Amino acid sequence: DIVMTQSPDSLAVSLGERATINCKSSQSLLYSSNNLNYLAWYQQKPGQPPKLLIYWASTRESGVPDRFRGSGSGTEFTLTISSLQAEDGAVYYCQHYYDTPFIFGPGTKVEIK
Amino acid sequence: EVQLVESGGGLVQPGGSLRLSCAASGLTFSSYWMNWVRQTPGKGLVWVSHIKPDGSSTTYADSVKGRFTISRDNVKNTMYLQMDNLRADDTAVYYCAGTGSYFSYWGQGTLVTVSA
Repeated sequence: DIVMTQSPDSLAVSLGERATINCKSSQSLLYSSNNLNYLAWYQQKPGQPPKLLIYWASTRESGVPDRFRGSGSGTEFTLTISSLQAEDGAVYYCQHYYDTPFIFGPGTKVEIK
Repeated sequence: EVQLVESGGGLVQPGGSLRLSCAASGLTFSSYWMNWVRQTPGKGLVWVSHIKPDGSSTTYADSVKGRFTISRDNVKNTMYLQMDNLRADDTAVYYCAGTGSYFSYWGQGTLVTVSA
């Protein structure tokens, strides 16, 4: 199975500042035949289900603000929140869908400083 | 608007069974892969199973293989998870999620508690 790790476990960021979350996979998520990375990012707030933010490593889901940006390829990926807003306090998960079992990262908690 | 609504959770003794349902609306249910994902209270997300649009193919996480069975009824726009021989470590909120391999839509979840 592919192992997913995230760093940091948590971070506190001031409003308007940048938040950066890293995700690593134990093997490449880049499928050579289509040059796509099988990696998604989700946001989860307390008492709510996860919400899809990014898929194919860098494609924003419809309606997701453009301050959320996904980047990376292969085994290393990053979610960047360019200017943190109060409503962005949440846990963020990466997930690979390269093959089954689909595995989520352990999550990164973003708090507003 | 897409809605996924889970039901069927509750308290069950170890070794017991439950059947979860996920009723879908607002999407062409029969066109999409559907999934079950669980989350232990305060912990992370774990993919459990998925099922092909026509129901002809299913896959399971090793932790539930042989105990859980996923199915769907495309006439009723509903997906199911039959959970047998439940264990304490199956205690979690169970979400249905679609579509495909990244999950655009999620239900609100149903809590399954396995305890004597």
